[in-house]
This record gives sequence, structure tokens and C-alpha cells, in this order.
Amino acid sequence: QKEVEQNSGPLSVPEGAIASLNCTYSDRGSQSFFWYRQYSGKSPELIMFIYSNGDKEDGRFTAQLNKASQYVSLLIRDSQPSDSATYLCAGGVGGSYIPTFGRGTSLIVHP
Amino acid sequence: KAGVTQTPRYLIKTRGQQVTLSCSPISGHRSVSWYQQTPGQGLQFLFEYFSETQRNKGNFPGRFSGRQFSNSRSEMNVSTLELGDSALYLCASSRKTDTGELFFGEGSRLTVL
Repeated sequence: QKEVEQNSGPLSVPEGAIASLNCTYSDRGSQSFFWYRQYSGKSPELIMFIYSNGDKEDGRFTAQLNKASQYVSLLIRDSQPSDSATYLCAGGVGGSYIPTFGRGTSLIVHP
Repeated sequence: KAGVTQTPRYLIKTRGQQVTLSCSPISGHRSVSWYQQTPGQGLQFLFEYFSETQRNKGNFPGRFSGRQFSNSRSEMNVSTLELGDSALYLCASSRKTDTGELFFGEGSRLTVL
């Protein structure tokens, strides 16, 4: 079992909707979590990180962390076609902040 | 501010050969991490260097090695190439060690024939 799990998708949402991307992790000791966006043929780009339980908002993006449930999510409000990409969830495993990546969820925002 | 620069961008090798990839981090960043990305396994951590010292290492065989120079530039080497080494090799830099706040380069696409 991979330490960070994501549904590969694709997740398809209409323009203007809220896209909800989810991730679970197996290491209860994980302290840090990251969301990266990767456009096709490009390298990953960090869009959010979260270290504490609860919500963290940055513009249209909200990261949510629930350590009791070992669950991380990323909400994208007012989704745009330019948000279409693969979203990689990553968590620090084994007490390290070095991220272990999930396989990624493909998001498609259609007009 | 220049981003992370990786060279070469594309290369083709045959089994048994060795390859060296280069990475120049963002100015002021002292940590360089290397990742392998494949469709089957996703992004997997190879190793991280900070101030010329390997600080962290992933679960890859000894054929994969790296080093970092005093100017923070880094190289990784893969010896005795296997077909399964075909992948996108990504370098990422950061200001500090042991962090997931990474800035990735565009990668080096290695094809092993």
C-alpha cells in the first residue's frame, strides 16, 4: 500500500463549480502536507502546504487537513479550464518533511 | 529570478551505459532534491543534498548516485542503465533541508533502449 493515496480520476467539473480533490495517508506521524499542480508535459508546481489541522485558504484554493482521519483535501472554488491539470498530494512520512507523493488526480474543468 | 535549470532536457542511452544529469538550483537555494517520475510509479524520491552533503536518500539501488558542489549545483549519475530507468528525472531546489516546499525544474527525459 502506497503511503499517500489519491483517486487517479479523472475528476470532471463544470466551469465555475467547486472541485474537491482528496488524499489519504497511512503514516499517523506525518506532520506536513503539500499540494502540487502538474500541467501535462510540465513539472510540478507547489500551490499549497498545510501543517496544522483545519483549513488554510489562499485565493480560490483551500487545503483541509484532518489528522484524526488521516485525510487531506484541496478545494478549488470557481474552477476554470486553466485549472485542468494533475494534482499531486504529498506528505512528509516517517517524521521527515521530505514529501512522499501520491499518484495524482487528473482534474478536467469543462466550459 | 531564474528558476531551476536542468540539463540535458532529453537523452537516449542504451542498456549498460551510464548517464550524468545536471541541475542548477534557484539562486540562494542550498538544497537540491532529485525525483524520478514514471507513469507506473509516479514521483519517487531519490536523494537530497544540502551544503554538499547527502541529507536524505530514497529506496533506489546504488547505481543511482549524486553529488552537490560548493555553488549548490548538483549532478546525479545512473550507472549500468536498465530499461526500467527510462523516466523523467526532476530536480527540485529549496532554501532549507528536509522540506516539501520545493521548486522543480523542467526535468531530464531519459530513454533507455
